[in-house]
Amino acid sequence: DGGITQSPKYLFRKEGQNVTLSCEQNLNHDAMYWYRQDPGQGLRLIYYSQIVNDFQKGDIAEGYSVSREKKESFPLTVTSAQKNPTAFYLCASSIVGNREAFFGQGTRLTVV
Amino acid sequence: DQQVKQNSPSLSVQEGRISILNCDYTNSMFDYFLWYKKYPAEGPTFLISISSIKDKNEDGRFTVFLNKSAKHLSLHIVPSQPGDSAVYFCAARATTSGTYKYIFGTGTRLKVLA
Repeated sequence: DGGITQSPKYLFRKEGQNVTLSCEQNLNHDAMYWYRQDPGQGLRLIYYSQIVNDFQKGDIAEGYSVSREKKESFPLTVTSAQKNPTAFYLCASSIVGNREAFFGQGTRLTVV
Repeated sequence: DQQVKQNSPSLSVQEGRISILNCDYTNSMFDYFLWYKKYPAEGPTFLISISSIKDKNEDGRFTVFLNKSAKHLSLHIVPSQPGDSAVYFCAARATTSGTYKYIFGTGTRLKVLA
Protein backbone atom coordinates (compact mmCIF):
# COMPACT_ATOMS: atom_id res chain seq x y z
CA ASP A 1 0.00 0.00 0.00
CA GLY A 2 1.57 3.30 -1.09
CA GLY A 3 1.55 6.24 1.24
CA ILE A 4 3.31 8.64 3.54
CA THR A 5 4.17 7.46 7.03
CA GLN A 6 4.91 9.79 9.88
CA SER A 7 6.08 8.37 13.15
CA PRO A 8 5.40 8.52 15.97
CA LYS A 9 1.88 9.96 16.10
CA TYR A 10 2.49 11.52 19.54
CA LEU A 11 5.86 12.64 20.84
CA PHE A 12 6.81 14.19 24.14
CA ARG A 13 10.15 15.86 24.84
CA LYS A 14 11.69 17.92 27.56
CA GLU A 15 12.52 21.54 26.86
CA GLY A 16 16.05 21.97 25.53
CA GLN A 17 16.23 18.57 23.85
CA ASN A 18 16.48 18.08 20.12
CA VAL A 19 13.93 15.73 18.59
CA THR A 20 13.68 14.17 15.13
CA LEU A 21 10.37 13.49 13.39
CA SER A 22 10.29 10.76 10.81
CA CYS A 23 8.65 10.97 7.37
CA GLU A 24 8.85 8.12 4.87
CA GLN A 25 7.05 7.74 1.55
CA ASN A 26 6.86 4.85 -0.91
CA LEU A 27 5.04 6.77 -3.63
CA ASN A 28 8.24 7.42 -5.59
CA HIS A 29 7.59 11.14 -5.21
CA ASP A 30 10.49 13.50 -5.80
CA ALA A 31 9.29 16.42 -3.68
CA MET A 32 8.74 16.38 0.08
CA TYR A 33 7.54 19.06 2.46
CA TRP A 34 7.26 19.78 6.17
CA TYR A 35 4.48 21.94 7.57
CA ARG A 36 3.52 23.01 11.02
CA GLN A 37 -0.07 23.56 12.15
CA ASP A 38 -0.99 25.78 15.07
CA PRO A 39 -4.54 26.70 16.09
CA GLY A 40 -5.87 29.52 13.91
CA GLN A 41 -2.72 29.73 11.81
CA GLY A 42 -3.25 27.16 9.12
CA LEU A 43 -0.32 25.21 7.71
CA ARG A 44 3.01 26.98 7.58
CA LEU A 45 5.89 25.70 5.46
CA ILE A 46 9.07 24.79 7.33
CA TYR A 47 11.31 23.13 4.71
CA TYR A 48 10.88 21.50 1.34
CA SER A 49 12.97 19.38 -0.98
CA GLN A 50 12.61 18.63 -4.67
CA ILE A 51 15.52 16.19 -5.05
CA VAL A 52 17.89 14.13 -2.94
CA ASN A 53 20.61 16.11 -1.14
CA ASP A 54 18.89 19.43 -1.80
CA PHE A 55 16.34 21.36 0.24
CA GLN A 56 15.03 24.89 0.69
CA LYS A 57 13.85 26.90 3.68
CA GLY A 58 10.19 27.68 3.95
CA ASP A 59 8.56 30.53 5.81
CA ILE A 60 9.41 29.38 9.35
CA ALA A 61 12.68 27.43 9.09
CA GLU A 62 14.38 28.94 12.15
CA GLY A 63 15.00 26.34 14.84
CA TYR A 64 14.53 23.41 12.46
CA SER A 65 16.84 21.31 10.31
CA VAL A 66 16.26 18.62 7.68
CA SER A 67 18.17 16.13 5.56
CA ARG A 68 17.31 14.38 2.31
CA GLU A 69 19.78 11.53 1.92
CA LYS A 70 17.24 9.20 0.35
CA LYS A 71 14.32 9.90 -1.97
CA GLU A 72 11.95 8.10 0.39
CA SER A 73 12.90 9.90 3.58
CA PHE A 74 12.80 13.52 4.80
CA PRO A 75 13.36 13.68 8.58
CA LEU A 76 12.79 16.93 10.45
CA THR A 77 14.82 17.84 13.54
CA VAL A 78 13.28 20.28 15.97
CA THR A 79 16.22 21.86 17.77
CA SER A 80 16.39 23.57 21.14
CA ALA A 81 16.58 26.88 19.24
CA GLN A 82 12.93 26.58 18.23
CA LYS A 83 11.10 28.85 20.68
CA ASN A 84 7.65 27.28 20.48
CA PRO A 85 8.08 23.69 19.31
CA THR A 86 4.77 22.32 20.58
CA ALA A 87 2.61 21.87 17.47
CA PHE A 88 1.14 19.42 14.99
CA TYR A 89 3.69 18.59 12.28
CA LEU A 90 2.68 17.42 8.83
CA CYS A 91 4.80 15.88 6.10
CA ALA A 92 3.70 15.88 2.47
CA SER A 93 5.04 14.67 -0.86
CA SER A 94 4.30 15.23 -4.52
CA ILE A 95 5.51 14.44 -7.99
CA VAL A 96 7.45 17.49 -9.11
CA GLY A 97 5.24 19.45 -11.47
CA ASN A 98 2.11 17.53 -10.49
CA ARG A 99 -0.85 19.43 -9.09
CA GLU A 100 -1.41 18.13 -5.61
CA ALA A 101 0.64 17.14 -2.61
CA PHE A 102 -0.35 14.24 -0.40
CA PHE A 103 -0.06 14.35 3.37
CA GLY A 104 0.86 11.96 6.11
CA GLN A 105 -1.20 11.62 9.28
CA GLY A 106 0.91 14.03 11.29
CA THR A 107 2.94 13.98 14.50
CA ARG A 108 1.78 15.86 17.57
CA LEU A 109 4.89 17.12 19.37
CA THR A 110 4.54 18.33 22.94
CA VAL A 111 7.51 19.90 24.69
CA VAL A 112 7.25 20.11 28.46
CA ASP B 1 2.32 38.58 5.14
CA GLN B 2 -0.44 36.13 4.37
CA GLN B 3 -0.46 35.36 0.64
CA VAL B 4 -3.50 33.07 0.90
CA LYS B 5 -6.36 34.21 3.10
CA GLN B 6 -9.49 32.55 4.34
CA ASN B 7 -11.36 35.27 6.15
CA SER B 8 -14.17 33.14 7.55
CA PRO B 9 -12.93 30.95 10.40
CA SER B 10 -16.22 29.04 10.52
CA LEU B 11 -19.40 28.34 8.58
CA SER B 12 -22.59 26.49 9.51
CA VAL B 13 -24.92 25.12 6.85
CA GLN B 14 -28.06 23.01 6.92
CA GLU B 15 -27.83 19.53 5.43
CA GLY B 16 -28.85 19.51 1.77
CA ARG B 17 -28.06 23.19 1.25
CA ILE B 18 -25.05 24.70 -0.51
CA SER B 19 -21.81 25.39 1.35
CA ILE B 20 -19.63 28.16 -0.08
CA LEU B 21 -16.09 28.52 1.22
CA ASN B 22 -14.04 31.50 0.11
CA CYS B 23 -10.36 32.19 -0.36
CA ASP B 24 -8.41 35.27 -1.46
CA TYR B 25 -4.81 35.47 -2.62
CA THR B 26 -2.32 38.20 -3.33
CA ASN B 27 0.29 36.62 -5.63
CA SER B 28 -0.76 36.61 -9.28
CA MET B 29 2.04 34.13 -10.08
CA PHE B 30 0.35 31.16 -8.40
CA ASP B 31 -0.29 28.53 -11.08
CA TYR B 32 -2.57 26.08 -9.27
CA PHE B 33 -5.10 26.40 -6.49
CA LEU B 34 -6.20 23.49 -4.35
CA TRP B 35 -8.71 22.67 -1.65
CA TYR B 36 -8.00 20.22 1.15
CA LYS B 37 -10.28 18.79 3.80
CA LYS B 38 -8.93 18.06 7.27
CA TYR B 39 -10.24 16.25 10.32
CA PRO B 40 -8.68 16.84 13.77
CA ALA B 41 -5.38 15.04 14.40
CA GLU B 42 -5.21 13.81 10.79
CA GLY B 43 -3.42 14.93 7.67
CA PRO B 44 -5.27 17.02 5.06
CA THR B 45 -6.91 15.15 2.21
CA PHE B 46 -6.83 16.59 -1.31
CA LEU B 47 -10.30 17.46 -2.63
CA ILE B 48 -10.12 19.40 -5.87
CA SER B 49 -7.84 21.78 -7.74
CA ILE B 50 -7.99 24.34 -10.50
CA SER B 51 -5.38 25.67 -12.88
CA SER B 52 -4.85 29.41 -12.98
CA ILE B 53 -5.91 29.38 -16.65
CA LYS B 54 -9.35 27.95 -15.87
CA ASP B 55 -12.31 29.54 -14.14
CA LYS B 56 -14.23 26.46 -13.04
CA ASN B 57 -13.59 22.84 -12.16
CA GLU B 58 -16.21 20.38 -11.04
CA ASP B 59 -15.94 16.98 -9.36
CA GLY B 60 -19.17 15.45 -8.14
CA ARG B 61 -20.61 17.60 -5.37
CA PHE B 62 -17.57 19.86 -5.34
CA THR B 63 -17.00 22.82 -7.66
CA VAL B 64 -14.20 25.33 -7.48
CA PHE B 65 -14.52 28.75 -9.10
CA LEU B 66 -11.59 31.03 -9.83
CA ASN B 67 -11.88 34.77 -10.43
CA LYS B 68 -8.40 35.89 -11.41
CA SER B 69 -9.21 39.57 -11.70
CA ALA B 70 -10.46 39.58 -8.11
CA LYS B 71 -7.79 37.11 -6.95
CA HIS B 72 -10.55 35.07 -5.39
CA LEU B 73 -11.59 31.45 -5.43
CA SER B 74 -14.44 29.60 -3.86
CA LEU B 75 -15.42 26.02 -3.15
CA HIS B 76 -19.07 25.06 -3.53
CA ILE B 77 -20.40 21.87 -1.98
CA VAL B 78 -23.85 20.85 -3.16
CA PRO B 79 -25.69 19.25 -1.47
CA SER B 80 -23.91 19.51 1.85
CA GLN B 81 -23.81 16.40 4.01
CA PRO B 82 -23.00 15.94 7.71
CA GLY B 83 -19.87 14.02 6.70
CA ASP B 84 -18.59 17.19 5.05
CA SER B 85 -18.09 18.73 8.50
CA ALA B 86 -14.35 19.40 8.73
CA VAL B 87 -11.79 22.17 8.33
CA TYR B 88 -11.21 23.19 4.71
CA PHE B 89 -7.91 24.66 3.62
CA CYS B 90 -7.33 26.64 0.48
CA ALA B 91 -3.81 26.32 -0.96
CA ALA B 92 -1.88 27.84 -3.83
CA ARG B 93 1.11 26.47 -5.65
CA ALA B 94 4.06 28.75 -6.27
CA THR B 95 6.91 27.98 -8.64
CA THR B 96 10.34 29.51 -8.11
CA SER B 97 13.34 28.53 -10.23
CA GLY B 98 11.88 25.12 -10.95
CA THR B 99 10.92 24.37 -7.35
CA TYR B 100 7.33 24.06 -6.22
CA LYS B 101 5.82 24.90 -2.88
CA TYR B 102 2.29 25.05 -1.52
CA ILE B 103 1.07 27.99 0.54
CA PHE B 104 -1.98 27.43 2.71
CA GLY B 105 -4.67 29.63 4.15
CA THR B 106 -5.73 29.49 7.79
CA GLY B 107 -8.72 27.25 7.16
CA THR B 108 -12.51 27.44 7.50
CA ARG B 109 -14.34 25.10 9.84
CA LEU B 110 -17.50 23.85 8.14
CA LYS B 111 -20.31 22.42 10.20
CA VAL B 112 -23.17 20.77 8.36
CA LEU B 113 -26.24 20.52 10.56
CA ALA B 114 -28.50 17.48 10.20
